[in-house]
Amino acid sequence: GQQLNQSPQSMFIQEGEDVSMNCTSSSIFNTWLWYKQEPGEGPVLLIALYKAGELTSNGRLTAQFGITRKDSFLNISASIPSDVGIYFCAGQRRGGSEKLVFGKGTKLTVNP
Amino acid sequence: DTEVTQTPKHLVMGMTNKKSLKCEQHMGHRAMYWYKQKAKKPPELMFVYSYEKLSINESVPSRFSPECPNSSLLNLHLHALQPEDSALYLCASRQERATTNTGELFFGEGSRLTVL
Repeated sequence: GQQLNQSPQSMFIQEGEDVSMNCTSSSIFNTWLWYKQEPGEGPVLLIALYKAGELTSNGRLTAQFGITRKDSFLNISASIPSDVGIYFCAGQRRGGSEKLVFGKGTKLTVNP
Repeated sequence: DTEVTQTPKHLVMGMTNKKSLKCEQHMGHRAMYWYKQKAKKPPELMFVYSYEKLSINESVPSRFSPECPNSSLLNLHLHALQPEDSALYLCASRQERATTNTGELFFGEGSRLTVL
């Protein structure tokens, strides 16, 4: 099925650095979600976005719903070792049903 | 802590076995989902139940049989699986309203299935 274009695929950073990742699509979405998944666990919802241009924070995490409705980004500030995991974006298309479209994920490694 | 509970956390089965995965949520959500996830890949939708009725079947082989006994429970019955069916099976739920769909999907911790 359709997938979102999520980048980068992986990131290796030092503790304390800021991180940015994004998702783009050729289709309009009316909801963007960002999840984090650690090994052996299910995805955990980090941030949900519902309006174009919306900027939402959750602690050190900040996500934005692109003004064109076709993209979203997630920033993590001052990374720490427990930020390690795979981050997935997911979107619900405008007028869509129960289906979410997922990005391929960004694997984050944080070196202490 | 997730409010979607899945059991068992790990399951090993042979190709001739019959087993079931179970999922429970008490958030009052009326939409429940089964996803399959292979290593380093995003979750792939299998089934969606909306108000206890099957609303989406993503062309899943019949060796996977979902069941929604009530609004809080979701089962996935497994029979005659293949080794390639080994994966993490995720249950999820979402609140649904008549006029709006919040979109927020909450996942359980998953059931790691190994088919020998």
